[in-house]
Amino acid sequence: DTGVSQNPRHKITKRGQNVTFRCDPISEHNRLYWYRQTLGQGPEFLTYFQNEAQLEKSRLLSDRFSAERPKGSFSTLEIQRTEQGDSAMYLCASSIVGARELGEKLFFGSGTQLSVL
Amino acid sequence: GIQVEQSPPDLILQEGANSTLRCNFSDSVNNLQWFHQNPWGQLINLFYIPSGTKQNGRLSATTVATERYSLLYISSSQTTDSGVYFCAVEYDKIIFGKGTRLHILP
Repeated sequence: DTGVSQNPRHKITKRGQNVTFRCDPISEHNRLYWYRQTLGQGPEFLTYFQNEAQLEKSRLLSDRFSAERPKGSFSTLEIQRTEQGDSAMYLCASSIVGARELGEKLFFGSGTQLSVL
Repeated sequence: GIQVEQSPPDLILQEGANSTLRCNFSDSVNNLQWFHQNPWGQLINLFYIPSGTKQNGRLSATTVATERYSLLYISSSQTTDSGVYFCAVEYDKIIFGKGTRLHILP
């Protein structure tokens, strides 16, 4: 198992463009999280999935953000009509819920750094 | 929503020193985890510790769930310990604190 994989590692886009990021979780992990992190801050919760079901989306997230996890495997995060304030590191993490001995230990990918010009 | 506060926000120590990082949370949680974010941005899970004490080498952590805090101890610190340490708590989703930035001087 190679861990949580995120693509691309870096994305530079112009304001107003749409971008899509992909996350491949650790196989058999049923829970998947998206976080956003800006410089000097902790990861900020965006949304999370249990298998293919999106359980919660942050109220701070505008309608320009959408995430999917078809078939409960990989996930995509799309930002429409990007703004300069969207520039951040977007982090994906996965865990397995239901294995009592593991709890919900979270494993992170390396992130996608988005720069909106 | 639940509040997670970490202290101190910044810490500068000489190599070999010991340190204690604290995480307070405002409500009962299902579990708590400590992470280290290295200078390249990678977040590494250090401990999954909803209660009690765990040790891993020079690092140990204690969570007192009834008093809503957790402590991370780093002994005999090394320059490779530098980075940001986050605690994260779970009640329905997992929420992070703002972190403690640790800089170990050679």
